[in-house]
Amino acid sequence: AQSVTQPDIHITVSEGASLELRCNYSYGATPYLFWYVQSPGQGLQLLLKYFSGDTLVQGIKGFEAEFKRSQSSFNLRKPSVHWSDAAEYFCAVVANHQAGTALIFGKGTTLSVSS
Amino acid sequence: DTGVSQNPRHKITKRGQNVTFRCDPISEHNRLYWYRQTLGQGPEFLTYFQNEAQLEKSRLLSDRFSAERPKGSFSTLEIQRTEQGDSAMYLCASSPTGQGALCEAFFGQGTRLTVV
Repeated sequence: AQSVTQPDIHITVSEGASLELRCNYSYGATPYLFWYVQSPGQGLQLLLKYFSGDTLVQGIKGFEAEFKRSQSSFNLRKPSVHWSDAAEYFCAVVANHQAGTALIFGKGTTLSVSS
Repeated sequence: DTGVSQNPRHKITKRGQNVTFRCDPISEHNRLYWYRQTLGQGPEFLTYFQNEAQLEKSRLLSDRFSAERPKGSFSTLEIQRTEQGDSAMYLCASSPTGQGALCEAFFGQGTRLTVV
């Protein structure tokens, strides 16, 4: 069965420092992968997605992610974190390509930004 | 505002009562999803509509849960005989019909249910 693992529950990064949030997936075929961000009281906002092609994908707010098939990973990165990036981040994989159905989410990583 | 709208934003109910939530998707979106999110967890899929047809239901959707999308526009999610374990954030998302999973799902802000 498809699954997503986010190994880090909580990460604290200094403002201006670089960030990497880890995501590992389990999926039989080429996965469709997503990163979402959720701020308190807000809905989920899509940061970026990977379907095929270039394994390094660029997203909004200066985020990028790299798909590594050999490691079953899709880690999210940002070179310089801003205080406004403090939020919860979710990695997700589509359960069924053809049906365009449910997203399977990881449990999330909470990012805190220290000054 | 042309995003996904959910009402109410918050609901407190007594155990055993019925509750109903509403979701208004983005107008041109054919697909509508319901998810549930509990504290410290990612969203979990509940059910999915394409237009008015409910095409998929999760095992999480017990008999006390029912969802409808009568005219292929807004959707309602009803929970009967609520239990404390139903306390969660209920999220609605919509996406256009296109190349299956290539279509981004847009999420509403959710309805937070507290069962006391």
